[in-house]
Amino acid sequence: NAGVTQTPKFRILKIGQSMTLQCTQDMNHNYMYWYRQDPGMGLKLIYYSVGAGITDKGEVPNGYNVSRSTTEDFPLRLELAAPSQTSVYFCASSVGVDQPQHFGDGTRLSIL
Amino acid sequence: DQQVKQNSPSLSVQEGRISILNCDYTNSMFDYFLWYKKYPAEGPTFLISISSIKDKNEDGRFTVFLNKSAKHLSLHIVPSQPGDSAVYFCAAKGDTGRRALTFGSGTRLQVQP
Repeated sequence: NAGVTQTPKFRILKIGQSMTLQCTQDMNHNYMYWYRQDPGMGLKLIYYSVGAGITDKGEVPNGYNVSRSTTEDFPLRLELAAPSQTSVYFCASSVGVDQPQHFGDGTRLSIL
Repeated sequence: DQQVKQNSPSLSVQEGRISILNCDYTNSMFDYFLWYKKYPAEGPTFLISISSIKDKNEDGRFTVFLNKSAKHLSLHIVPSQPGDSAVYFCAAKGDTGRRALTFGSGTRLQVQP
């Protein structure tokens, strides 16, 4: 009954470092999403995927990359961390575009 | 340009009373609306949704109303319980060229015992 699992839960990075935020789901959902939530703001879409091998940009894709080699996994890559990327990152999945999204518990990322 | 707006950042109500959370949108292409609830240190959890072909959807203590002409929707919680204390996000989807949700900034609901 895992649903959407994100790792790590917390991470501190130095400016210029890179890292990958992991997201995996066990519900066989085709659609997967990455959002970021800044303090006092709503969730903003970074990237999304409608199936293995297919990804597309959201509202705020700059500074990030994604890949979707399997249905289960949708990692988010930060290549050159910047302070503006300090945020809470949420991964989500859904059966279809008109179905509710199921969210992971988030990764809190600080870049100093 | 915020296409989905929740103008009240916080709301406090007494246990047993009605909670009304509001949401306005600007994009007339939105055709599906959802409410999510979020507790601290957890991801958002789906609560209730409504399609633009309806004006009301009810699920237990939760009812969502949609007024398309005013581009406004609201979430009613009756009766409110202390466990309802959380941040509530309104989200919308439509033929905007992107197959994903647009979220409001959230309203923090505090239900006082």
